[in-house]
Amino acid sequence: AQTVTQSQPEMSVQEAETVTLSCTYDTSESNYYLFWYKQPPSRQMILVIRQEAYKQQNATENRFSVNFQKAAKSFSLKISDSQLGDTAMYFCAFMKQIRNSGGSNYKLTFGKGTLLTVNP
Amino acid sequence: DAGITQSPRYKITETGRQVTLMCHQTWSHSYMFWYRQDLGHGLRLIYYSAAADITDKGEVPDGYVVSRSKTENFPLTLESATRSQTSVYFCASSVDRSGNTIYFGEGSWLTVV
Repeated sequence: AQTVTQSQPEMSVQEAETVTLSCTYDTSESNYYLFWYKQPPSRQMILVIRQEAYKQQNATENRFSVNFQKAAKSFSLKISDSQLGDTAMYFCAFMKQIRNSGGSNYKLTFGKGTLLTVNP
Repeated sequence: DAGITQSPRYKITETGRQVTLMCHQTWSHSYMFWYRQDLGHGLRLIYYSAAADITDKGEVPDGYVVSRSKTENFPLTLESATRSQTSVYFCASSVDRSGNTIYFGEGSWLTVV
């Protein structure tokens, strides 16, 4: 079974600084997808960034970037120039293709989350 | 663009009652998912569906039933609600077979008393 581990239950950072959230995962698959989701106090899940395992280049979305280390099964999220609106719970997630009698399907597994607080 | 909507958003029910949480998406996405979110557990997959009439169990399916008679709807039923099913439930849909984009609903807060 795939597992996703976020070892930092809580983190804090000063506004305008950079913070890195850790995520490791365990899988025997070679082809999969990785995601970081943000969940603000409104509880809505918002996709921050995604990475295809077959791509060596790290994904980047504005102030958000990842450090994808496939051999180490590590997928950390770096937030640059932190803003107050970045305060949220952040979830790392792993998706792989499942093959069963019904055909192909996709299963998305989440870590337990890291609560990030950006301080003014 | 309505996207993916869940109803009810908030529900209080009694132990033993049947409860159905609705999920509707307007994109005709093939893949749909139900998760529950609990403190200390993150999000856990209850059931998922690859297409109409195709469903499969996730990590924590016990006590839940799903159906997918139409592509756009994926209701989740608690056959006999228990207090341990008090949670926030999220429905999600996937844009294509690559699974590289998942859209979540706003969540349904369920309290079982």
